[in-house]
Amino acid sequence: DAGVTQSPTHLIKTRGQQVTLRCSPISGHKSVSWYQQVLGQGPQFIFQYYEKEERGRGNFPDRFSARQFPNYSSELNVNALLLGDSALYLCASSANRDRSYNEQFFGPGTRLTVL
Amino acid sequence: AQTVTQSQPEMSVQEAETVTLSCTYDTSESDYYLFWYKQPPSRQMILVIRQEAYKQQNATENRFSVNFQKAAKSFSLKISDSQLGDAAMYFCAYRSGLSNFGNEKLTFGTGTRLTIIP
Repeated sequence: DAGVTQSPTHLIKTRGQQVTLRCSPISGHKSVSWYQQVLGQGPQFIFQYYEKEERGRGNFPDRFSARQFPNYSSELNVNALLLGDSALYLCASSANRDRSYNEQFFGPGTRLTVL
Repeated sequence: AQTVTQSQPEMSVQEAETVTLSCTYDTSESDYYLFWYKQPPSRQMILVIRQEAYKQQNATENRFSVNFQKAAKSFSLKISDSQLGDAAMYFCAYRSGLSNFGNEKLTFGTGTRLTIIP
């Protein structure tokens, strides 16, 4: 089975522009989470979606938004890009079948550079 | 809010030797999970090992084992018989066990870069 996939692999934007990043979870997984990893830091939680509903939100400005589609894929949108938004954006999926532990599987990430 | 601290930005070890990576965390919760993730240059985050806070027994996965000290809020990773393929960034992470259904937020430390010396 294919793992978590993300597109594009790399992206270069200029300040003030808008960007959309895409994530396809592992087949059968209904939960998708997004993380931002600035160079030299650990990933920071942005959003989690489950069954198309937002289940968690990190400490990020309203310029960041996301959604999940009926096929459980997800998009992360960032408006009015700032230089500080340059980072690796990671997507993770899990089966999330019940309240017990569900392992999160990460994709390879999208490297966003803002000039 | 929970915090995770990794105080060793870089570590190195001779091939076939043993190395221990340190992690401390802060939480007021009693039910939680702790993880070690590996991130090689390919950037893909890979789960190395998991520890449930309610389990007293330290988790082990082949050459990887942890020393979980709940009272001290310490969670170190020991890698035995280090191999060249172990070279990567290693992140310690925390997840609340009280997460609402669907909320699986991970809180990561800043990472330790592990170099294996041939």
